Amino acid sequence: GNSVTQMEGPVTLSEEAFLTINCTYTATGYPSLFWYVQYPGEGLQLLLKATKADDKGSNKGFEATYRKETTSFHLEKGSVQVSDSAVYFCALNLPGNTPLVFGKGTRLSVIA
Amino acid sequence: DVKVTQSSRYLVKRTGEKVFLECVQDMDHENMFWYRQDPGLGLRLIYFSYDVKMKEKGDIPEGYSVSREKKERFSLILESASTNQTSMYLCASSRDRTGGNQPQHFGDGTRLSIL
Repeated sequence: GNSVTQMEGPVTLSEEAFLTINCTYTATGYPSLFWYVQYPGEGLQLLLKATKADDKGSNKGFEATYRKETTSFHLEKGSVQVSDSAVYFCALNLPGNTPLVFGKGTRLSVIA
Repeated sequence: DVKVTQSSRYLVKRTGEKVFLECVQDMDHENMFWYRQDPGLGLRLIYFSYDVKMKEKGDIPEGYSVSREKKERFSLILESASTNQTSMYLCASSRDRTGGNQPQHFGDGTRLSIL
């Protein structure tokens, strides 16, 4: 079946550190891939997406590249801020009438 | 800007009550979804709908039902609330039913406590 596996958290970093959150997927077709972010007390917001192999999604200093050969979509940021503290979800979607498939989320805490 | 509105941010109900959670979107999206979010379990899909008056079961539909009488509104119903339904409930909508590359847009969630 279709699934998304994220690294388990929580992840705690100091401000300005480099961030990587790993995400790998299993899919029966050619999915689109997404990263969502959930700030405390809020719903999920789309952070970035990539719809085909080798695409790079980017937003707010975050990047992720769709790697078909390794079935991965790792999230990276060069210098995190305290305001990046949130839960990050990796997700995939396949064409047709199928809902998004989410990973379990990774909690990031950034300390000053 | 895309807007998904859930009727309540916090709700407290009693065991055995019938509970309605309402969700409205203003983007003319065909697709709407209900999830629950619990610590350590991530997001779990309860029900979804691709059109008015249609519904599909998600991964955990037991104890829940839904209603979609109008395109913009998708209601989640707890027929007889139980304490194990205490959770954060998230509603989402999306535009495209075939392309697969359209993101879902989420409301801010309803934190429901069943006493």
